Amino acid sequence: AQTVTQSQPEMSVQEAETVTLSCTYDTSESDYYLFWYKQPPSRQMILVIRQEAYKQQNATENRFSVNFQKAAKSFSLKISDSQLGDAAMYFCAYRSREEGAQKLVFGQGTRLTINP
Amino acid sequence: DAGVIQSPRHEVTEMGQEVTLRCKPISGHDYLFWYRQTMMRGLELLIYFNNNVPIDDSGMPEDRFSAKMPNASFSTLKIQPSEPRDSAVYFCASTWDGINTEAFFGQGTRLTVV
Repeated sequence: AQTVTQSQPEMSVQEAETVTLSCTYDTSESDYYLFWYKQPPSRQMILVIRQEAYKQQNATENRFSVNFQKAAKSFSLKISDSQLGDAAMYFCAYRSREEGAQKLVFGQGTRLTINP
Repeated sequence: DAGVIQSPRHEVTEMGQEVTLRCKPISGHDYLFWYRQTMMRGLELLIYFNNNVPIDDSGMPEDRFSAKMPNASFSTLKIQPSEPRDSAVYFCASTWDGINTEAFFGQGTRLTVV
C-alpha cells in the first residue's frame, strides 16, 4: 500500500526567507502523481503544486517549487520569499495512476509558521 | 460549478446517535473520496468510489461506519452509533480520471460527539 510521510510536524521561517518542507513516500508503482496542498485556518484545502512522476523536470509555481527525487522517493516543497499568507498546514499527497483505482493518500501534514 | 458541497458544516450530536454526512461532488467527476482529519492522525482516507462503486474501504475504522454512493451526484457517510472518539472534521473530495488532475475538496463537516 502507498504511504506518505512528512517528518516535520512544525516548521517556522522568517518572512521573506526560504523554507523547505520534506516529504517521502513509499510505492511499488512507476507512474503516479504527487501534490502539495495548503490548508489555511479556513480549513479549505488548496492545491499548491503538482508533479507527474514521469517528468524529470521539477515543477514550479511562482514562489513554490519542488525537488522531486524519484529514486529516493522524495518530494520536498520549497517556498521562496515567504509571506505571512503562507502560514498554514501543508500536506503532501500521492495519487496512483492505476486505471479505475486512483487512490489519493496524504501525509500527516506540516504546520508552517511565518515570523514577521 | 459550485464545487464540492458538503452538509452540514457543523454537527453536534450525543453519543449513541446516528450521524449522516452528505456530499455532492463536482459534476463530471468519477472519483469521490471521504477523509477524516484529526490532530492526532492527520488526514485519513476512509473510503473512495470510482463511478459510484466503492474501490477501497480499508480505511473505514469499524462497522459503525458506512458509506454509500447511490448515484454520481450524491454520497453519504453514516456513523451509527456515534462515539466521542469520532469527533473530527470529515472531508469529501472529488476528481476525474484525467491527466494530472487534482482533487477538489469540500469545506468539510466538523463533527462533535458529546
